[in-house]
Amino acid sequence: EAGVTQFPSHSVIEKGQTVTLRCDPISGHDNLYWYRRVMGKEIKFLLHFVKESKQDESGMPNNRFLAERTGGTYSTLKVQPAELEDSGVYFCASSTGGAIFDSPLHFGNGTRLTVT
Amino acid sequence: AQKITQTQPGMFVQEKEAVTLDCTYDTSDQSYGLFWYKQPSSGEMIFLIYQGSYDEQNATEGRYSLNFQKARKSANLVISASQLGDSAMYFCAMTAGWVGNQFYFGTGTSLTVIP
Repeated sequence: EAGVTQFPSHSVIEKGQTVTLRCDPISGHDNLYWYRRVMGKEIKFLLHFVKESKQDESGMPNNRFLAERTGGTYSTLKVQPAELEDSGVYFCASSTGGAIFDSPLHFGNGTRLTVT
Repeated sequence: AQKITQTQPGMFVQEKEAVTLDCTYDTSDQSYGLFWYKQPSSGEMIFLIYQGSYDEQNATEGRYSLNFQKARKSANLVISASQLGDSAMYFCAMTAGWVGNQFYFGTGTSLTVIP
């Protein structure tokens, strides 16, 4: 089975530009998460989709971040306009449905975003 | 609020020796899950081991075991017979509640296995 895939693996953009990150979860996984790790800090939750619905977006930093999950399949995370503090590694993860406290997350390799 | 604390930014271990990576957690929920992930230099996050709050036995997966001490709120990862390929970042994580939305991660421990 294919794992969680993320594209691009790296992105370097200038402050003020727009970047869109894509995540393809494992087929059949209803739960899709976005996380971010800023250098040296913990991995922080951004938001959670169940199928195409946003279950929890309490971790989104501000309205410059927009996440969508078309038809409950792949998801995109757009940052517009990007700021320097948005630099970090953005992870996507998916898991099976239902109660998640015993379902591990399956992570993608992450997108390393650098804003200059 | 849920919180994971990993107090060891970096650890070294001799090849073939055992090593313990510390993790403490804080939650008021009675139902929670504890996870360990490995992140090698290639960047992917690899799930290693899981411990449920109601599990009485410590979880084991091959060379990995989780030393779960509920009263102390600790969930240390023990790697036995370290291998060079074990060199990586290790993250402790928790999710809580029967329908938890979020995983909470620690800041990670960088493990280096010395030949």
